[in-house]
Amino acid sequence: EAQVTQNPRYLITVTGKKLTVTCSQNMNHEYMSWYRQDPGLGLRQIYYSMNVEVTDKGDVPEGYKVSRKEKRNFPLILESPSPNQTSLYFCASSLGQANTEAFFGQGTRLTVV
Amino acid sequence: AQKVTQAQTEISVVEKEDVTLDCVYETRDTTYYLFWYKQPPSGELVFLIRRNSFDEQNEISGRYSWNFQKSTSSFNFTITASQVVDSAVYFCALSDPNAGNNRKLIWGLGTSLAVNP
Repeated sequence: EAQVTQNPRYLITVTGKKLTVTCSQNMNHEYMSWYRQDPGLGLRQIYYSMNVEVTDKGDVPEGYKVSRKEKRNFPLILESPSPNQTSLYFCASSLGQANTEAFFGQGTRLTVV
Repeated sequence: AQKVTQAQTEISVVEKEDVTLDCVYETRDTTYYLFWYKQPPSGELVFLIRRNSFDEQNEISGRYSWNFQKSTSSFNFTITASQVVDSAVYFCALSDPNAGNNRKLIWGLGTSLAVNP
């Protein structure tokens, strides 16, 4: 089954404690990205990757890091989480053309206290 | 600048009513793509439909239909004979093929649809 898998689904952490949200896709997609969803602000792109070892900032990259060592995986790293990073996070993958739909993971609800 | 506006923040209907969710977009490009996604209470984002700017044919899929009108920059979504399972947040999104390597979607803020029994 074609899917994007994010882990964990829910996470509560404390300010400053490094964490990683994993994302894996089994569709051999080249393009992957991370979004955060916040009430009243909608979905905003954090980082994206066009292919292995090719990543770039989206609209709200501050406080986040990503890596793309393998085509299927695109982890999101919060080196020192802060309460303003409390949000619902989505990983997405697609074939890489503008006319193809993005497939989304189940979402990770992160709370930083 | 590109923008997607979903003016209806929340809609509440009774089961079996028809409901239309509005989406208005702004772009300077002649080639672009529009999408609708559904976010049920469980939280995931589910792809519903894709439409390119050169195809203005309306589309019907079961109880769902979409009306794309370039003249008014709108891509509206209608659910016929709504059901409780249709309760979700629905997002309209715009993709710009001229945005270089970034295939990000420009999202509307969503319309929360509640279908009551």
